[in-house]
Amino acid sequence: QSALTQPRSVSGSPGQSVTISCTGTSSDVGVYNYVSWYQQHPGKAPKLMIYDVTKRPSGVPDRFSGSKSGNTASLTISGLQAEDEADYYCCSYAGSYTWVFGGGTKLTVL
Amino acid sequence: EVQLVESGGGLVQPGGSLRLSCAASGFTFSSYWMHWVRQAPGKGLVWVSRINSDGSSTSYADSVKGRFTISRDNAKNTLYLQMNSLRAEDTAVYYCARDSGGWYLVYWGQGTLVTVSS
Repeated sequence: QSALTQPRSVSGSPGQSVTISCTGTSSDVGVYNYVSWYQQHPGKAPKLMIYDVTKRPSGVPDRFSGSKSGNTASLTISGLQAEDEADYYCCSYAGSYTWVFGGGTKLTVL
Repeated sequence: EVQLVESGGGLVQPGGSLRLSCAASGFTFSSYWMHWVRQAPGKGLVWVSRINSDGSSTSYADSVKGRFTISRDNAKNTLYLQMNSLRAEDTAVYYCARDSGGWYLVYWGQGTLVTVSS
């Protein structure tokens, strides 16, 4: 149950695109299409942004998109806005009814 | 509106016990799996435990297995986490979360802080 690997921080200017990677193993990200992404603003509860690798819940802007290749999932945010500045966490089902989160990535909008 | 409200956090000495509760409303509680996720101060999210809809199946992170017990009372729409043999590294905000009927967490509570310190 090792945490998924995310970059500690990424940054971009308003209007630009950024991609956050999430690297797991062949026991979690690589074998299950159950990767989800969560946004967390300081002092707030996490919010679901992407589920099942690529799907967006109702109400999440289409600027947010997800993908996966092999053992690495990615979250791309296009048309960056100031309110996107937050921490982002990936999560994968890891089998045997267990889940594993990534260490989190701090997104700074310059 | 779905609401999840955690309670029961506080200061406890190492080796002590604490029981967290999560009161659910706005949905049919007995139909969904529920989870506990924790976040140490300034750190990332860590999945802790999950229970199925009728309470017959549970699973745990290795770090809490044998010390924590997840349970639910569907008649009271309440989720619990019994935490025993607490360690300093268990200090965190504990969130309860509802799954989707799938493999991700849709709704989260606001969390309750557990501090393990002498």
